[in-house]
Amino acid sequence: SQQGEEDPQALSIQEGENATMNCSYKTSINNLQWYRQNSGRGLVHLILIRSNEREKHSGRLRVTLDTSKKSSSLLITASRAADTASYFCATDNGGNKLVFGAGTILRVKS
Amino acid sequence: ETGVTQTPRHLVMGMTNKKSLKCEQHLGHNAMYWYKQSAKKPLELMFVYNFKEQTENNSVPSRFSPECPNSSHLFLHLHTLQPEDSALYLCASSQERGFSGANVLTFGAGSRLTVL
Repeated sequence: SQQGEEDPQALSIQEGENATMNCSYKTSINNLQWYRQNSGRGLVHLILIRSNEREKHSGRLRVTLDTSKKSSSLLITASRAADTASYFCATDNGGNKLVFGAGTILRVKS
Repeated sequence: ETGVTQTPRHLVMGMTNKKSLKCEQHLGHNAMYWYKQSAKKPLELMFVYNFKEQTENNSVPSRFSPECPNSSHLFLHLHTLQPEDSALYLCASSQERGFSGANVLTFGAGSRLTVL
């Protein structure tokens, strides 16, 4: 069953603007991860936030986690054309696998 | 390159053909995965291998047959596929959880399969 669901499905912004993507999930988690996928390529791990953390930063990325609402958000600040990609959240409940959502397609226009 | 190599990158096959996808990881990881990615759908986990033993089969049709001869190599054997099996097949690997407790995947670039 699908665990993570991203919102919005697609997002188009101008270079320099911030991009926010949201992820909701259904069951308890060990951690939540965000991945990026350029067109037709594999996914690349961006950042991981543990269930006991509320916010985490990595460069221009900021991730928040609200376990009471079972939701997470990924903020990309000062976006660049090279940030154009699909972004996926994945939930890890400590078992054998990660469960991915359908992704948010981000387009950054220069 | 991520350290996970998939071949071929593109494959076109008829419904009666038999072909194989190959995945090799150079990261010393002990777990390997096959995922299927279809347009506008979430990634679907197909199979998981830990220390070359299959630990997950996500109700995948028998026309997909995985093989993991060692911790570095993973194959997906394909036979009598259907057009709806056309998709991007992604291989991934990970290290055992260990002290960090997290399972982070490293993906290959994928094999784009088209079934005619």
